[in-house]
Amino acid sequence: NAGVTQTPKFRVLKTGQSMTLLCAQDMNHEYMYWYRQDPGMGLRLIHYSVGEGTTAKGEVPDGYNVSRLKKQNFLLGLESAAPSQTSVYFCASSTGTSGIGNEQFFGPGTRLTVL
Amino acid sequence: GQSLEQPSEVTAVEGAIVQINCTYQTSGFYGLSWYQQHDGGAPTFLSYNGLDGLEETGRFSSFLSRSDSYGYLLLQELQMKDSASYFCAVMDSSYKLIFGSGTRLLVRP
Repeated sequence: NAGVTQTPKFRVLKTGQSMTLLCAQDMNHEYMYWYRQDPGMGLRLIHYSVGEGTTAKGEVPDGYNVSRLKKQNFLLGLESAAPSQTSVYFCASSTGTSGIGNEQFFGPGTRLTVL
Repeated sequence: GQSLEQPSEVTAVEGAIVQINCTYQTSGFYGLSWYQQHDGGAPTFLSYNGLDGLEETGRFSSFLSRSDSYGYLLLQELQMKDSASYFCAVMDSSYKLIFGSGTRLLVRP
């Protein structure tokens, strides 16, 4: 099993450009999450999904959109990139059950720079 | 609001024991988790406490006191490979994780 994979690994954008980050998981998890991590800080939740076809806002959703058309994929879109969106983006998935069953499995991250 | 407090940095010697504390204020609470992250890597799950008390997994233990809104991660027999950032995270009622800012652990020879 590959676990959680993310593409691309690195990307440089100019202000105003758009892009989509792809997350895929092969563990049949219901829940998927997108986080951003800025230097020296913890992870902040952007959007999440509790199942195919559903999405919800997290702590810092502005400037991002998401879609979960298939259970195994969770897409994060930036419509008009801004320098403040320079960050490392992590995708994660979990079973969504309570307790230890809700361990989140993280992808390797996408390092995005917006010039 | 929701907030988690943990020390920003801790230094310890190889073979020693270190404790990383975490206090939290959240509107909903379904458990406290700990994640490890090496530089340039992804966070990986270490432990979870849903009830008060101590959970032990090998060299790592985690403790929770819900009445004090407090928990800690205890690392024993420190090894150089334990140098990493450690994050406490509270699970809320929607199974979302709210992360602390992380504690950077430096293990010296």
